[in-house]
Amino acid sequence: GESVGLHLPTLSVQEGDNSIINCAYSNSASDYFIWYKQESGKGPQFIIDIRSNMDKRQGQRVTVLLNKTVKHLSLQIAATQPGDSAVYFCAETYGNQFYFGTGTSLTVIP
Amino acid sequence: DTAVSQTPKYLVTQMGNDKSIKCEQNLGHDTMYWYKQDSKKFLKIMFSYNNKELIINETVPNRFSPKSPDKAHLNLHINSLELGDSAVYFCASSPFSGRTSEQYFGPGTRLTVT
Repeated sequence: GESVGLHLPTLSVQEGDNSIINCAYSNSASDYFIWYKQESGKGPQFIIDIRSNMDKRQGQRVTVLLNKTVKHLSLQIAATQPGDSAVYFCAETYGNQFYFGTGTSLTVIP
Repeated sequence: DTAVSQTPKYLVTQMGNDKSIKCEQNLGHDTMYWYKQDSKKFLKIMFSYNNKELIINETVPNRFSPKSPDKAHLNLHINSLELGDSAVYFCASSPFSGRTSEQYFGPGTRLTVT
């Protein structure tokens, strides 16, 4: 399933399916991007990051794609598991400033 | 072995009161932050300190005053609390001053102003 972040949309996927969470960032000068996961009642937790000189980075079950032309970032989660249910935030940084997107709520259906 | 801790976890208080939230990190990081998360989950940075010095001070009411006694602690004091201050406040730390560095967040303090 897919979703566009920025006004806390929700995304529901079946366990085992792949998830794609999208984020549109605001500043073309942003040079570093991070995805965070926030579980209910907890603080955000780092998942993966990417610098602006890259367009793809892979982690364990997660892949981040960066399209600077359209200022778009996506997080792909392979074989989504119930423990992946959370709110996902993208964050962009430029200079000493950084901003979080409004997040996307992912629900995994067992 | 908690990395970033905050106290209290919950804070319920009346309008007009003054309250403080404490934050400590044992990661040896140089930089600490305060964020406010509203009911729609929007996270907004409020302050950032690097080695006890203020480096980011976003537009927040001056009723909010951070204090960093040492680089492992960053406390947030709020005067004359208002209803709109109700939110979850997160403390975070990072090895460097924000740029190109992930942040480690505390568990949050849920502030309710009645």
